[in-house]
Amino acid sequence: DIQMTQSPSSVSASVGDRVTITCRASQDISSWLVWYQQKPGKAPRLLIYDASTLQGGVPSRFSGSGSGTDFTLTITSLQPEDFATYYCQQADSYPISFGQGTRLEIK
Amino acid sequence: EVQLVESGGGLVEPGGSLRVSCAASGFSLSTHTMNWVRQAPGKGLEWVSSISSTGTFTVYADSVKGRFTVSRDNAKNSLYVQMNSLRADDTATYYCTREFQPHTGRHFDYWGQGALVTVSS
Repeated sequence: DIQMTQSPSSVSASVGDRVTITCRASQDISSWLVWYQQKPGKAPRLLIYDASTLQGGVPSRFSGSGSGTDFTLTITSLQPEDFATYYCQQADSYPISFGQGTRLEIK
Repeated sequence: EVQLVESGGGLVEPGGSLRVSCAASGFSLSTHTMNWVRQAPGKGLEWVSSISSTGTFTVYADSVKGRFTVSRDNAKNSLYVQMNSLRADDTATYYCTREFQPHTGRHFDYWGQGALVTVSS
Protein backbone atom coordinates (compact mmCIF):
# COMPACT_ATOMS: atom_id res chain seq x y z
CA ASP A 1 0.00 0.00 0.00
CA ILE A 2 1.13 3.55 -0.72
CA GLN A 3 1.57 5.84 2.28
CA MET A 4 1.16 9.59 1.85
CA THR A 5 2.92 11.97 4.22
CA GLN A 6 2.17 15.69 4.31
CA SER A 7 4.20 18.43 5.92
CA PRO A 8 3.75 20.52 7.84
CA SER A 9 0.74 19.30 9.81
CA SER A 10 -0.22 22.90 10.40
CA VAL A 11 1.01 26.28 9.28
CA SER A 12 0.16 29.84 10.26
CA ALA A 13 0.23 32.58 7.66
CA SER A 14 -1.15 36.02 6.94
CA VAL A 15 -3.34 37.30 4.14
CA GLY A 16 -1.09 38.02 1.17
CA ASP A 17 1.55 35.45 2.14
CA ARG A 18 2.82 32.62 -0.02
CA VAL A 19 2.48 29.12 1.45
CA THR A 20 3.88 25.78 0.31
CA ILE A 21 2.64 22.38 1.50
CA THR A 22 4.51 19.22 0.64
CA CYS A 23 3.33 15.67 0.13
CA ARG A 24 5.54 12.61 -0.15
CA ALA A 25 4.47 9.21 -1.45
CA SER A 26 6.09 6.02 -0.16
CA GLN A 27 6.63 4.87 -3.76
CA ASP A 28 6.66 6.31 -7.26
CA ILE A 29 3.18 7.46 -8.27
CA SER A 30 4.23 9.32 -11.42
CA SER A 31 1.95 12.38 -11.58
CA TRP A 32 -1.10 10.71 -10.05
CA LEU A 33 -1.40 13.17 -7.21
CA VAL A 34 -4.48 15.14 -6.17
CA TRP A 35 -5.03 18.08 -3.81
CA TYR A 36 -8.26 18.89 -1.98
CA GLN A 37 -9.33 21.78 0.24
CA GLN A 38 -11.73 21.23 3.12
CA LYS A 39 -13.42 23.83 5.29
CA PRO A 40 -15.03 22.98 8.64
CA GLY A 41 -18.34 21.19 8.27
CA LYS A 42 -18.02 20.96 4.51
CA ALA A 43 -17.10 18.26 2.01
CA PRO A 44 -13.66 18.40 0.44
CA ARG A 45 -13.28 20.38 -2.78
CA LEU A 46 -11.05 19.24 -5.64
CA LEU A 47 -8.29 21.77 -6.34
CA ILE A 48 -5.63 20.08 -8.45
CA TYR A 49 -5.27 16.71 -10.16
CA ASP A 50 -2.51 15.02 -12.11
CA ALA A 51 -0.11 16.89 -9.79
CA SER A 52 -0.45 20.22 -11.57
CA THR A 53 -3.77 20.51 -13.44
CA LEU A 54 -6.05 23.11 -11.90
CA GLN A 55 -9.69 22.05 -11.57
CA GLY A 56 -12.13 24.38 -13.28
CA GLY A 57 -13.16 27.33 -11.13
CA VAL A 58 -10.13 27.14 -8.85
CA PRO A 59 -8.23 30.44 -8.61
CA SER A 60 -4.87 30.63 -10.33
CA ARG A 61 -3.11 31.48 -7.05
CA PHE A 62 -3.22 27.72 -6.41
CA SER A 63 -0.59 25.63 -8.16
CA GLY A 64 0.82 22.15 -7.87
CA SER A 65 4.08 20.57 -8.92
CA GLY A 66 6.13 17.42 -8.58
CA SER A 67 6.33 13.88 -9.86
CA GLY A 68 7.48 10.51 -8.63
CA THR A 69 7.36 10.73 -4.85
CA ASP A 70 7.62 14.43 -3.99
CA PHE A 71 4.90 16.99 -4.59
CA THR A 72 4.03 20.52 -3.54
CA LEU A 73 0.94 22.68 -3.33
CA THR A 74 1.65 26.40 -3.45
CA ILE A 75 -0.79 29.16 -2.67
CA THR A 76 0.39 32.64 -3.58
CA SER A 77 -1.14 35.78 -2.15
CA LEU A 78 -3.30 34.05 0.48
CA GLN A 79 -6.90 35.18 0.68
CA PRO A 80 -9.17 34.93 3.75
CA GLU A 81 -11.16 32.13 2.13
CA ASP A 82 -8.02 29.99 1.72
CA PHE A 83 -7.72 29.22 5.42
CA ALA A 84 -8.73 25.58 5.54
CA THR A 85 -7.30 22.07 5.71
CA TYR A 86 -5.56 20.65 2.65
CA TYR A 87 -5.21 16.98 1.78
CA CYS A 88 -3.17 15.21 -0.84
CA GLN A 89 -4.31 11.91 -2.33
CA GLN A 90 -2.53 9.36 -4.45
CA ALA A 91 -4.56 8.46 -7.53
CA ASP A 92 -2.22 5.77 -8.78
CA SER A 93 -3.52 2.52 -7.35
CA TYR A 94 -5.81 0.87 -4.84
CA PRO A 95 -6.11 1.24 -1.99
CA ILE A 96 -6.46 4.96 -2.60
CA SER A 97 -4.77 6.87 0.22
CA PHE A 98 -4.76 10.40 1.58
CA GLY A 99 -2.20 12.42 3.45
CA GLN A 100 -3.03 13.27 7.05
CA GLY A 101 -3.90 16.86 6.16
CA THR A 102 -2.32 20.28 6.62
CA ARG A 103 -4.25 22.89 8.54
CA LEU A 104 -3.66 26.40 7.24
CA GLU A 105 -4.43 28.93 9.95
CA ILE A 106 -4.52 32.69 10.10
CA LYS A 107 -1.54 34.23 11.87
CA GLU B 1 -25.85 20.77 -11.93
CA VAL B 2 -24.18 17.68 -10.52
CA GLN B 3 -25.49 16.75 -7.08
CA LEU B 4 -24.80 13.86 -4.74
CA VAL B 5 -27.09 13.56 -1.72
CA GLU B 6 -26.46 10.97 0.98
CA SER B 7 -29.14 9.63 3.30
CA GLY B 8 -29.55 6.87 5.84
CA GLY B 9 -26.98 7.84 8.41
CA GLY B 10 -27.75 7.59 12.10
CA LEU B 11 -26.98 5.95 15.43
CA VAL B 12 -26.43 2.20 15.51
CA GLU B 13 -25.21 -0.15 18.22
CA PRO B 14 -21.92 -2.02 17.89
CA GLY B 15 -22.44 -5.15 15.83
CA GLY B 16 -25.42 -3.61 14.08
CA SER B 17 -26.08 -2.81 10.43
CA LEU B 18 -26.91 0.29 8.44
CA ARG B 19 -27.31 1.17 4.78
CA VAL B 20 -26.33 4.58 3.50
CA SER B 21 -27.65 5.71 0.13
CA CYS B 22 -26.48 8.34 -2.33
CA ALA B 23 -28.84 9.90 -4.86
CA ALA B 24 -27.11 11.29 -7.93
CA SER B 25 -28.48 13.92 -10.27
CA GLY B 26 -27.26 16.20 -13.02
CA PHE B 27 -25.21 13.53 -14.78
CA SER B 28 -25.44 9.96 -15.97
CA LEU B 29 -24.42 7.74 -13.06
CA SER B 30 -23.85 4.83 -15.46
CA THR B 31 -20.74 6.47 -16.92
CA HIS B 32 -18.83 6.98 -13.68
CA THR B 33 -16.96 4.89 -11.17
CA MET B 34 -18.17 5.91 -7.73
CA ASN B 35 -16.47 5.81 -4.35
CA TRP B 36 -17.17 6.11 -0.65
CA VAL B 37 -14.78 8.12 1.50
CA ARG B 38 -15.20 8.56 5.25
CA GLN B 39 -13.94 10.96 7.87
CA ALA B 40 -14.00 10.22 11.58
CA PRO B 41 -14.79 13.22 13.80
CA GLY B 42 -11.82 15.58 13.84
CA LYS B 43 -9.74 13.22 11.70
CA GLY B 44 -8.53 12.96 8.12
CA LEU B 45 -10.01 11.38 5.03
CA GLU B 46 -10.09 7.62 4.53
CA TRP B 47 -11.05 5.93 1.28
CA VAL B 48 -13.55 3.12 1.88
CA SER B 49 -14.66 1.56 -1.39
CA SER B 50 -14.94 1.91 -5.15
CA ILE B 51 -17.47 0.48 -7.60
CA SER B 52 -17.10 0.51 -11.37
CA SER B 53 -19.66 2.14 -13.64
CA THR B 54 -21.49 -1.13 -14.32
CA GLY B 55 -21.04 -2.48 -10.81
CA THR B 56 -19.00 -5.48 -11.94
CA PHE B 57 -15.83 -4.38 -10.16
CA THR B 58 -15.67 -3.47 -6.48
CA VAL B 59 -12.72 -2.89 -4.19
CA TYR B 60 -12.54 -2.18 -0.47
CA ALA B 61 -10.19 -0.83 2.15
CA ASP B 62 -8.85 -3.56 4.42
CA SER B 63 -10.55 -1.88 7.37
CA VAL B 64 -14.04 -2.64 5.96
CA LYS B 65 -13.44 -5.69 3.76
CA GLY B 66 -15.89 -8.46 4.54
CA ARG B 67 -18.18 -6.14 6.49
CA PHE B 68 -19.18 -3.47 3.96
CA THR B 69 -20.78 -4.02 0.55
CA VAL B 70 -21.05 -1.31 -2.08
CA SER B 71 -23.68 -1.51 -4.81
CA ARG B 72 -25.41 0.67 -7.32
CA ASP B 73 -28.64 0.95 -9.29
CA ASN B 74 -27.92 3.04 -12.35
CA ALA B 75 -31.57 3.00 -13.39
CA LYS B 76 -32.40 4.71 -10.10
CA ASN B 77 -29.28 6.93 -10.16
CA SER B 78 -28.35 5.59 -6.77
CA LEU B 79 -25.30 4.29 -4.94
CA TYR B 80 -25.37 2.32 -1.71
CA VAL B 81 -23.09 1.05 1.01
CA GLN B 82 -24.37 -1.72 3.27
CA MET B 83 -22.44 -1.70 6.53
CA ASN B 84 -22.57 -4.79 8.76
CA SER B 85 -20.82 -5.76 11.99
CA LEU B 86 -20.31 -2.10 12.75
CA ARG B 87 -17.66 -1.07 15.24
CA ALA B 88 -17.02 2.11 17.19
CA ASP B 89 -14.15 2.99 14.86
CA ASP B 90 -16.59 3.04 11.92
CA THR B 91 -18.07 6.22 13.39
CA ALA B 92 -17.57 8.83 10.67
CA THR B 93 -19.15 11.03 8.08
CA TYR B 94 -19.52 8.98 4.91
CA TYR B 95 -19.12 10.85 1.65
CA CYS B 96 -20.33 9.66 -1.72
CA THR B 97 -17.88 10.78 -4.41
CA ARG B 98 -17.83 10.77 -8.18
CA GLU B 99 -14.66 9.73 -9.95
CA PHE B 100 -13.66 11.99 -12.84
CA GLN B 101 -14.02 10.10 -16.14
CA PRO B 102 -12.64 9.25 -18.51
CA HIS B 103 -9.29 9.39 -16.80
CA THR B 104 -6.59 7.03 -15.64
CA GLY B 105 -5.86 8.68 -12.33
CA ARG B 106 -8.52 8.23 -9.69
CA HIS B 107 -9.65 11.56 -8.35
CA PHE B 108 -12.98 12.77 -7.07
CA ASP B 109 -14.50 15.82 -8.72
CA TYR B 110 -17.83 15.85 -6.87
CA TRP B 111 -18.65 15.02 -3.26
CA GLY B 112 -21.92 14.73 -1.41
CA GLN B 113 -22.57 16.62 1.81
CA GLY B 114 -21.95 13.49 3.84
CA ALA B 115 -23.97 11.20 6.11
CA LEU B 116 -22.97 10.83 9.75
CA VAL B 117 -22.86 7.29 11.07
CA THR B 118 -22.40 6.91 14.81
CA VAL B 119 -21.70 3.50 16.30
CA SER B 120 -22.34 3.52 20.01
CA SER B 121 -24.28 1.71 22.70
